[in-house]
Amino acid sequence: DVKVTQSSRYLVKRTGEKVFLECVQDMDHENMFWYRQDPGLGLRLIYFSYDVKMKEKGDIPEGYSVSREKKERFSLILESASTNQTSMYLCASKLGGFNRQVAKNIQYFGAGTRLSVL
Amino acid sequence: QQPVQSPQAVILREGEDAVINCSSSKALYSVHWYRQKHGEAPVFLMILLKGGEQKGHEKISASFNEKKQQSSLYLTASQLSYSGTYFCGTETGNYGQNFVFGPGTRLSVLP
Repeated sequence: DVKVTQSSRYLVKRTGEKVFLECVQDMDHENMFWYRQDPGLGLRLIYFSYDVKMKEKGDIPEGYSVSREKKERFSLILESASTNQTSMYLCASKLGGFNRQVAKNIQYFGAGTRLSVL
Repeated sequence: QQPVQSPQAVILREGEDAVINCSSSKALYSVHWYRQKHGEAPVFLMILLKGGEQKGHEKISASFNEKKQQSSLYLTASQLSYSGTYFCGTETGNYGQNFVFGPGTRLSVLP
C-alpha cells in the first residue's frame, strides 16, 4: 500500500513564525502536491513538484514556498505565518507522466496537518 | 478554474439514492472522484477518461459527458458508510496536465 506521511496532525504557531510542514511518501512517486483545505472551498493547490528540485506554483502560492531535495520528501514552508493561513494542509503524491492508465492518475493523500496560527 | 459541484450538501436515509454533479467551463480530459470521511484523507473512487465508458464501483458509479463538460456520480441504495465529502477533480489541457478539485459535496446518510 502507498503510504503518504505528514509529520504532524496538529500544529499551533504564532504569527510571524517560520513553519515547516513535512511530507514523505514511500512509493517512489515522481509527483508530489501540497493542498490547502478550507470549508466550502475544497482542496486548493498551493504547489506541486514533478521531480527533485522541480516545482510549479499552484492556484494559491502566495505566502508559501516548497522544497524537494529528495524524491520521497516534499516540504511546505510558511516563511512568516499569518492568521489567514490557519487551515488544513494535505499532501499527496502520484506517479509521474500523462498516461491513460488509471493507476498513474491516482493521487494518494496524507492524513493532513491542521495548522492554527495565533 | 475550479469545477462547480452540486448540490453543496445532501442528506439521505439509508437505502436512498443520490446524484452528485460536477461541471466545468473548460473542455475536460478526465474527471476524478474522491471521497473524504470526517478526519481522514481523501480516497480515490474512480476516474473517467475522455472517450471512456461509464465506470462503476460497487453501488457507486459515474458518467462523463464530454460535450457538456460534466460528470455525475451516482450512489444507489446508500449505506451509512457512504457519508463524507465527495470531491470531483477535473483535468484540462491536451494531456490533462491542469488538474483542479471542486469545492466538494457533503453527503450525510442517516439510519
